[in-house]
Order: sequence, then structure tokens, then C-alpha cells
Amino acid sequence: GIQVEQSPPDLILQEGANSTLRCNFSDSVNNLQWFHQNPWGQLINLFYIPSGTKQNGRLSATTVATERYSLLYISSSQTTDSGVYFCAVDSFGNEKLTFGTGTRLTIIP
Amino acid sequence: AAGVIQSPRHLIKEKRETATLKCYPIPRHDTVYWYQQGPGQDPQFLISFYEKMQSDKGSIPDRFSAQQFSDYHSELNMSSLELGDSALYFCASSRTSGIDEQFFGPGTRLTVL
Repeated sequence: GIQVEQSPPDLILQEGANSTLRCNFSDSVNNLQWFHQNPWGQLINLFYIPSGTKQNGRLSATTVATERYSLLYISSSQTTDSGVYFCAVDSFGNEKLTFGTGTRLTIIP
Repeated sequence: AAGVIQSPRHLIKEKRETATLKCYPIPRHDTVYWYQQGPGQDPQFLISFYEKMQSDKGSIPDRFSAQQFSDYHSELNMSSLELGDSALYFCASSRTSGIDEQFFGPGTRLTVL
């Protein structure tokens, strides 16, 4: 099946810093989503982005499908950004999402 | 906007007992997915339904079964519970329209003692 790798596995930053999270995948994808899992366990949809660039407030994402990677940018980090960020993909003809192992982000006040 | 509803939110069971988890998808969503997330792990796909028919199956134990009903809600039935079944169970839904973004419910946290 499709393989999804995320880096870095852990990231500790001061409030106000910027960060870039990376997601590499091993095959062509039909769907790519970024999620934030908050400390209460809820999975929050951030972006649906199988290709191209999107922005939502302090967050933006870019997927380069031909090179099989996606980037999530977080600017001016806040403590509420802490949690685990997951990238998840599905391949053509296969609707189930395969998740990466996540990046655990900790923002220090 | 309406979201995916899951019940119960928390469930504590003893080994060898049974559990039933319920999922109510977003209105007009025709596909439901179940995922299991163990402690410190990423979510793993269990099973999915499209228009009340099973559409895909992952690493779901034979002790687990699921179905989707005429009103599109889904239930995950788990029997002979084991300690290793303790996990967060997510339901997600999507609408088959070319944009198959999945929206996740808040999850059911199952603890098996």
C-alpha cells in the first residue's frame, strides 16, 4: 500500500515562531488532507489539498503532486497550535485514508 | 454547520464484553468510514460503507462487525473485547462528488479493563 512519511516527528517552538511540516508519499494520490489533533483527541480538518496551494489565516499548505510531497506552514505560532499534525492520503480507486505518523508540535509561551 | 456525531463519547468495558459504537454522518453524505487510533499511534482504517453496502475493509478483527442503515447512520459492533481494543474510534463521512474530503467525528474513547 501507499506509504506516508512525515517530518520532523517532533517540533518545539517559542510562541510567535514559524514552522514548516513536511509530508512525503510513495504513490500518486487522489486525496490529501492535513489534520490537527488537539490534546482532547479531536481531529480537525485543516486542508483538503491533493494539489496546489491554499491558505487559511496563519496556516497555508502546498502540495506538489508530481514530486509526491506536501508542506504545511504555520506562521506566528500560538500555544493553541500545539498538538499532533497528521497528513493523510488516499490513492486512486481506494478511498480509505492512510495516515502518516504525525508531527508533534509543542508551542512554548 | 452540521458535523459527524458519534456516541457514546466514552465507554468503559470489561474483557470479553461487547460494545456498540454509533455514527451519524453529515446530512447528504453517502459514505461512512471507521478508523481506530491506538495510544500514541496514527489512525488506522477499519471499514467503510457506501450507500449502505460495505465498500472497503482494512485490518478489522473478525470479532468486529459493522453496518450502515437506511438512514445512513452506522454502527460498529465489537465482541469478546480484549485489552488491546482500548483505543479512540473515529467515524468519518464524505459525499461522493469528485471531492471526497473526509470529515471526522469527535471519536469514541473505548477503555477495556
